[in-house]
Amino acid sequence: GAVVSQHPSWVICKSGTSVKIECRSLDFQATTMFWYRQFPKQSLMLMATSNEGSKATYEQGVEKDKFLINHASLTLSTLTVTSAHPEDSSFYICSARAGRFYEQYFGPGTRLTVT
Amino acid sequence: AQTVTQSQPEMSVQEAETVTLSCTYDTSESDYYLFWYKQPPSRQMILVIRQEAYKQQNATENRFSVNFQKAAKSFSLKISDSQLGDAAMYFCAYRGMQGGSEKLVFGKGMKLTVNP
Repeated sequence: GAVVSQHPSWVICKSGTSVKIECRSLDFQATTMFWYRQFPKQSLMLMATSNEGSKATYEQGVEKDKFLINHASLTLSTLTVTSAHPEDSSFYICSARAGRFYEQYFGPGTRLTVT
Repeated sequence: AQTVTQSQPEMSVQEAETVTLSCTYDTSESDYYLFWYKQPPSRQMILVIRQEAYKQQNATENRFSVNFQKAAKSFSLKISDSQLGDAAMYFCAYRGMQGGSEKLVFGKGMKLTVNP
């Protein structure tokens, strides 16, 4: 149980375009999901907390208008990187809260390359 | 703010041997959770073990066990009978229990190499 998927697993886009990443909880409902960014050989950096039916809470320093998060259902949260630039290239990971201990179960991640 | 420190960036162990990964943290809260996550080359984060701070007993999951020293704010992970599949990045993480503290605070991670 507690499986989280992400789509796509790898995406290449041109500078200036937007790209959407989906995060789905496959076998449970998740009122809260999290979006992380991970640079090579570094730890996970929390970008935002996504709550179903309400606005996401962004971490300090994360541009809300650039990283649009929508948690429209109990099983789906999306992250849209708008007007992407090469510096947005990174590995994006989502997680969903589940279980009695409110543990986070992670998706497999999405590698974004902006050319 | 809570912080998590993993001071060893890399370690190696021989297959079948035992290795201990260290982690310290700083918090003013009395109740919290601590976790060890594993990230293999596939980059899928996998929960290895969880420890509730209010429990004195150290958590154990098969070959993985922790040494939780609350007063010292130390949370080390012991891997027994190391296997090649244990090779990965290991992240120590903290999560508070107070309202709004669902965020995980991660350490910088430690790369474990398992030598055959």
